[in-house]
Amino acid sequence: GQQLNQSPQSMFIQEGEDVSMNCTSSSIFNTWLWYKQDPGEGPVLLIALYKAGELTSNGRLTAQFGITRKDSFLNISASIPSDVGIYFCAGPRNNAGNMLTFGGGTRLMVKP
Amino acid sequence: DGGITQSPKYLFRKEGQNVTLSCEQNLNHDAMYWYRQDPGQGLRLIYYSQIVNDFQKGDIAEGYSVSREKKESFPLTVTSAQKNPTAFYLCASSIGQSNQPQHFGDGTRLSIL
Repeated sequence: GQQLNQSPQSMFIQEGEDVSMNCTSSSIFNTWLWYKQDPGEGPVLLIALYKAGELTSNGRLTAQFGITRKDSFLNISASIPSDVGIYFCAGPRNNAGNMLTFGGGTRLMVKP
Repeated sequence: DGGITQSPKYLFRKEGQNVTLSCEQNLNHDAMYWYRQDPGQGLRLIYYSQIVNDFQKGDIAEGYSVSREKKESFPLTVTSAQKNPTAFYLCASSIGQSNQPQHFGDGTRLSIL
C-alpha cells in the first residue's frame, strides 16, 4: 500500500533558524496536506496543496507540491519556541475518496 | 464556534472493562474518523463513517466498536478485547468529498489502571 516517508524524524534547532522537512512517496499523490500537532493536542491543518509545483505560504510556513508528485516540502523561516511540535504530511489513500494516509511525522524542538 | 469536541480529555480503564470515547462535531461534516496514536508514532485508522448509519473498519479495528446514529456524533467503544488500549485517541471529520482535509479534535488519552 501507499506509504509516506518523512524526514528527518526529529530536529533540534536554535531559535531563529530556518527549518526544512520533506515527505516522499513511491506513488503519485494528487493532494498533499501538512498538519502540526502540539503536545497533547490534535493535529491542526497548516497548508493544503492540490497542484504539482504549487508553492503556498501560511505566515512563516511555506510548503511545495513536488513537480514529480511524489514528494512535498515544508519550510519554516525564523523559528520560534512555539513552533515546537510534530509535523505530519498526509495524502489521499489511493488518490481517491476522503481517506488519508499519514507520514510518521517530524518532531521539531526549538532551543530558545 | 464550529469544531470537533472529544471527551473526556483523560480516561482510565480497569481490566476487563469497556469504555466509550465521545466525539461530537458541529461542522455539518458527513464523514468522521477515529485514529489511534502511540508515543512517537503516526496515526492509525481504527474506524470511519462516510454517512449516518454506516461505518467501515479501518486498519486496526479489532477490539473496538463504533456507532453513527446521528450526523454529529461518532462514539468509539474500546472493548475488553483490546489488550493494549493505552494510547492517544483522535477523532476527525471531513466534508466527505475527495481530497478534502480532515479536521481533528483535541484527543482523549486512555490509560489502564
